[in-house]
Amino acid sequence: NAGVTQTPKFQVLKTGQSMTLQCAQDMNHNSMYWYRQDPGMGLRLIYYSASEGTTDKGEVPNGYNVSRLNKREFSLRLESAAPSQTSVYFCASLRTGGTGELFFGEGSRLTVL
Amino acid sequence: GENVEQHPSTLSVQEGDSAVIKCTYSDSASNYFPWYKQELGKGPQLIIDIRSNVGEKKDQRIAVTLNKTAKHFSLHITETQPEDSAVYFCAAHSGYALNFGKGTSLLVTP
Repeated sequence: NAGVTQTPKFQVLKTGQSMTLQCAQDMNHNSMYWYRQDPGMGLRLIYYSASEGTTDKGEVPNGYNVSRLNKREFSLRLESAAPSQTSVYFCASLRTGGTGELFFGEGSRLTVL
Repeated sequence: GENVEQHPSTLSVQEGDSAVIKCTYSDSASNYFPWYKQELGKGPQLIIDIRSNVGEKKDQRIAVTLNKTAKHFSLHITETQPEDSAVYFCAAHSGYALNFGKGTSLLVTP
């Protein structure tokens, strides 16, 4: 039971570099989400995808782009990383037609120097 | 948009005592209120949830209460154990996604 898998788990970038966080789920869920977690700030929604082929902005989308590659995969891209994007990023998928339970990956810790 | 306030931010209790975490929300249309537990280095996991047509729900040592009129809901953990130590998040579903509180770091000391 893999659930939600995120890669990489850790990454250090220099300011201005780009990178993509990968996320895949094997539960056949329609909706997927990217959150960031910062100390004292809780979980804030960056982008979400309600279904394959659609993406929408969340609370803090600036500086990010996303791609819903297929039903399983939802990637998050930082085109030009900034120190303010140092955070732990979580991908999640939503149990379809059920209780509304979100299933989270284990997180990707990103440091931008 | 929905605003979820969570208190306290930190909570320390002795093993065997009860712990209570409280949340308020702003959007009266919110209808689903889950609680997540996050252990160190892991992603959050759902521990209990409640829908707006129910006032209370229990699952062994944990319970959640909801007061729709006052727009607040609470998590109650009884007979706390060291393995309950973690960060707990409340959330409210409004529109397209869950909005989370800022979290409560619970420490249960033996």
